[in-house]
Amino acid sequence: QKEVEQNSGPLSVPEGAIASLNCTYSDRGSQSFFWYRQYSGKSPELIMFIYSNGDKEDGRFTAQLNKASQYVSLLIRDSQPSDSATYLCAVKRYSNYQLIWGAGTKLIIKP
Amino acid sequence: AAGVIQSPRHLIKEKRETATLKCYPIPRHDTVYWYQQGPGQDPQFLISFYEKMQSDKGSIPDRFSAQQFSDYHSELNMSSLELGDSALYFCASSFTGTGPLEQYFGPGTRLTVT
Repeated sequence: QKEVEQNSGPLSVPEGAIASLNCTYSDRGSQSFFWYRQYSGKSPELIMFIYSNGDKEDGRFTAQLNKASQYVSLLIRDSQPSDSATYLCAVKRYSNYQLIWGAGTKLIIKP
Repeated sequence: AAGVIQSPRHLIKEKRETATLKCYPIPRHDTVYWYQQGPGQDPQFLISFYEKMQSDKGSIPDRFSAQQFSDYHSELNMSSLELGDSALYFCASSFTGTGPLEQYFGPGTRLTVT
């Protein structure tokens, strides 16, 4: 079992709908949580980070963190075809600088 | 805003050759990370440097070495290249302040070993 788990997808969502991406992690000592978007052949692009329980909103994106249940999610409202990409969840342990990566969820927004 | 710079963007080498990848972090960032990403895989952490000292070590082969210089740029040296080393190599940087240490990635170097 990987330390950070994501459903590999693909997750298909109609344009304009809400896309919900989920990530679970096993290390309770995890401190910070990151969502990256990666287009094929391009580098990961930081979308949001969260480190407190609850919701954090930035434009069409909302990150949700529940440390008791050890999951973090990303909601994308009003999904656009340009949101089609692989979304990587990354988790930072308290003990070092290293990010532990999930395998990513491929999101497809259908026009 | 300035981003992470990597060079070269593309590199073709033959087996058993050596390669050097360079990374220039975002100004004022003090930590550099190197990742390797194969097709369809998540980024694999290789090594990181904080203030020119190695801070973490991941799955970096013994054939690879890296360092961070006084101007904070970093170089990844890869020797005795193998076909399996063909991948995208990303450098990321972060600032060690009171924040969550979010990492910002460069555009990557695509290494092809033939």
